[in-house]
Amino acid sequence: KAGVTQTPRYLIKTRGQQVTLSCSPISGHRSVSWYQQTPGQGLQFLFEYFSETQRNKGNFPGRFSGRQFSNSRSEMNVSTLELGDSALYLCASSPLTGVGGYTFGSGTRLTVV
Amino acid sequence: SQQGEEDPQALSIQEGENATMNCSYKTSINNLQWYRQNSGRGLVHLILIRSNEREKHSGRLRVTLDTSKKSSSLLITASRAADTASYFCATDAWNAGNMLTFGGGTRLMVKP
Repeated sequence: KAGVTQTPRYLIKTRGQQVTLSCSPISGHRSVSWYQQTPGQGLQFLFEYFSETQRNKGNFPGRFSGRQFSNSRSEMNVSTLELGDSALYLCASSPLTGVGGYTFGSGTRLTVV
Repeated sequence: SQQGEEDPQALSIQEGENATMNCSYKTSINNLQWYRQNSGRGLVHLILIRSNEREKHSGRLRVTLDTSKKSSSLLITASRAADTASYFCATDAWNAGNMLTFGGGTRLMVKP
């Protein structure tokens, strides 16, 4: 079966712009989580959506937001981009919540210039 | 913030040798998982161990968990050049849904 698909793979944006990243989970998976990976802070949890509801949110400013659609696809949005938002953004899907063993996508590499 | 630390931060071994990576965490957990990442790509799930388990095997992987010391170790036996990657431990807590807290990772290089 198809894995977790993240689009786009690479993105270059200018400071102050906004960006939307997309994640299509494995068919049948209802949970989608987002993570930010940077050399300095490592892998950090952004938020989790389950059945279109945000279940958890990490310690990120309000510029970071997300949503999940009825088909479980998820988007995350970052407004007013800062240079420090340059990172690899990963999403993970799971059939349920709290059971572990997540499948990650290949990520979107965002560069803010 | 990261849950804990991984040790060592980098490890270089010869093909055929065993590689051991350690992970420590700070709070009570539900599950502990290990993931592999190749060259800044996506994470690949390797193995999950639950808080009531002490040891688990999967192929050439062996994971131990000591909840009293809040630590885990990942052993890769008979390593191969293809095992070259970064390895991360990740924990989730009770009632925290799918929120994973990752360690800093160990960069493993296996020389042919």
